[in-house]
Amino acid sequence: RKEVEQDPGPFNVPEGATVAFNCTYSNSASQSFFWYRQDCRKEPKLLMSVYSSGNEDGRFTAQLNRASQYISLLIRDSKLSDSATYLCVVNQAGTALIFGKGTTLSVSS
Amino acid sequence: DADVTQTPRNRITKTGKRIMLECSQTKGHDRMYWYRQDPGLGLRLIYYSFDVKDINKGEISDGYSVSRQAQAKFSLSLESAIPNQTALYFCATSDRTGIQWETQYFGPGTRLLVL
Repeated sequence: RKEVEQDPGPFNVPEGATVAFNCTYSNSASQSFFWYRQDCRKEPKLLMSVYSSGNEDGRFTAQLNRASQYISLLIRDSKLSDSATYLCVVNQAGTALIFGKGTTLSVSS
Repeated sequence: DADVTQTPRNRITKTGKRIMLECSQTKGHDRMYWYRQDPGLGLRLIYYSFDVKDINKGEISDGYSVSRQAQAKFSLSLESAIPNQTALYFCATSDRTGIQWETQYFGPGTRLLVL
């Protein structure tokens, strides 16, 4: 089983739609969780950290379920500019981050 | 100016050649990383360094070596390049303190083509 798994998509949605991405991780000792965004042929950039209580940043909401080893990202009111690849990232303390392969989102007008 | 820079940005080389990719950062971070990205395979860790005297192998270190010359510099070498090392290479840094101590900051990437 891969350490971090994501549905690769692509997810094709119209502007204004709500879309959710899911991610599972295999190492129960993982302690930190993130979503990164990567635009085509560009470097990944941190979108948001994921906390146990769940957290929201504008139109983006991240959830963590430690019991199920599951992370989610919800995007509300999708914009054209949200089109990108979203990377699920986890790690344990003292080690390097493990990246999922990413989920591609395409938002159309 | 960018906080994490990589040189060169693009490189074409031939099989068997030795090449070096360089990474510099002005963020003052202790930790530096080298990744490669291939279509369908995502980001894979090659080597990482938690301080100047520390070098660690990542998931795919075979065929690569690194040098941490200073806190701000981390170089990746391909001793004898082969075509399956054609990829997009990213350098990244992170800090070991603060709330977002594990946030990684990436350079713009180096596109390498090995013929």
